Amino acid sequence: DQQVKQNSPSLSVQEGRISILNCDYTNSMFDYFLWYKKYPAEGPTFLISISSIKDKNEDGRFTVFLNKSAKHLSLHIVPSQPGDSAVYFCAASANTDKLIFGTGTRLQVFP
Amino acid sequence: GAVVSQHPSRVICKSGTSVKIECRSLDFQATTMFWYRQFPKKSLMLMATSNEGSKATYEQGVEKDKFLINHASLTLSTLTVTSAHPEDSSFYICSARPTGGRGFREQYFGPGTRLTVT
Repeated sequence: DQQVKQNSPSLSVQEGRISILNCDYTNSMFDYFLWYKKYPAEGPTFLISISSIKDKNEDGRFTVFLNKSAKHLSLHIVPSQPGDSAVYFCAASANTDKLIFGTGTRLQVFP
Repeated sequence: GAVVSQHPSRVICKSGTSVKIECRSLDFQATTMFWYRQFPKKSLMLMATSNEGSKATYEQGVEKDKFLINHASLTLSTLTVTSAHPEDSSFYICSARPTGGRGFREQYFGPGTRLTVT
């Protein structure tokens, strides 16, 4: 049972435009959500997070939106840059150290 | 800062042998480390939580006798895949949570180890 789902395995965006990566979850007990970025042959690196008491968190070019009623979160990257090309994982936690990961979305930013 | 290394990065072993994978936090101490497994095109699945000086806590469905975890120091955790079989072939990633870090959910990931069992 996949509790965290990223239904788009890949996304291609032109440089300078907005990239929107989506994530859906099923467990209403999740109270903290994170986005990780992963380059080939490297481990995931933390990007941005959001608590369930918020609906938006912004850090530079990255903004995460949370819609609890829809059990949906999204990561917006604007403007997108070629260096953003990577696999993005969303992850969720239910008040524990355990992270439940989605399957990832491969983002490609082309010139 | 906050670098986690894994060794080896790739290993090929014969069926029936055991393989040890090391996870080190290079510039911080980690009371807690996590071991994940990733199948192709699948998410990272938590296998076990490793606490320094105590027994690991395994997730449901993970065989503790097959995947031995030792966390003997604040900077090193090891995962030993015993009597490996081809179905154990996978990408294994560890992560480390800094002791007294900025957030209890903060984890730094290693680069992963590709295990192939022939």
